[in-house]
Amino acid sequence: NAGVTQTPKFRILKIGQSMTLQCAQDMNHNYMYWYRQDPGMGLKLIYYSVGAGITDKGEVPNGYNVSRSTTEDFPLRLELAAPSQTSVYFCASSYSPGNAGELFFGEGSRLTVL
Amino acid sequence: QKEVEQDPGPLSVPEGAIVSLNCTYSNSAFQYFMWYRQYSRKGPELLMYTYSSGNKEDGRFTAQVDKSSKYISLFIRDSQPSDSATYLCAMSGQGSSNTGKLIFGQGTTLQVKP
Repeated sequence: NAGVTQTPKFRILKIGQSMTLQCAQDMNHNYMYWYRQDPGMGLKLIYYSVGAGITDKGEVPNGYNVSRSTTEDFPLRLELAAPSQTSVYFCASSYSPGNAGELFFGEGSRLTVL
Repeated sequence: QKEVEQDPGPLSVPEGAIVSLNCTYSNSAFQYFMWYRQYSRKGPELLMYTYSSGNKEDGRFTAQVDKSSKYISLFIRDSQPSDSATYLCAMSGQGSSNTGKLIFGQGTTLQVKP
């Protein structure tokens, strides 16, 4: 049981490049989330999904896109990378948000935009 | 004003000390209060959960919620070097209970010295 798996773990991008951060979970969770974590800033919600085919914006969605074609996968797309997108990105999933709000996080993807 | 405020520290204590970590919040609609622990270069993991006001104890950890003061605390008794991590408070309200969206504090970095 792998939990939440994120790839890649590290990536350096040039300004203007695009890339996709992959996230997969094997717990059959309906709810999935993408957060970014900047030093001293806590976790900010980018996008979330309550089930396959359903996505919605979080607090900081600009510059990102998501899709949810299956229950297992929730990729995050960065278009036209900017230095402000240098951050650590965490994917998380939840079986039922009403159950203590427990989110299961991946280990993070560390992105640097130069 | 941020919805959730948390002193980022860092906080350094000797082994065996009692540690108090705190968050204040401004949104009176918050009903679910959580503490996540994040080890270096890892994803956060749920440590404690409390619904509405009151105390909850789990081993060396006690979570307190005072909704009248919009203040939550995490106490760690007999702190151990293995408790060295970043502690993030998180909360959500009734309106977001069906999506699992959490608002996180900035995180407090704790170091317990042997």
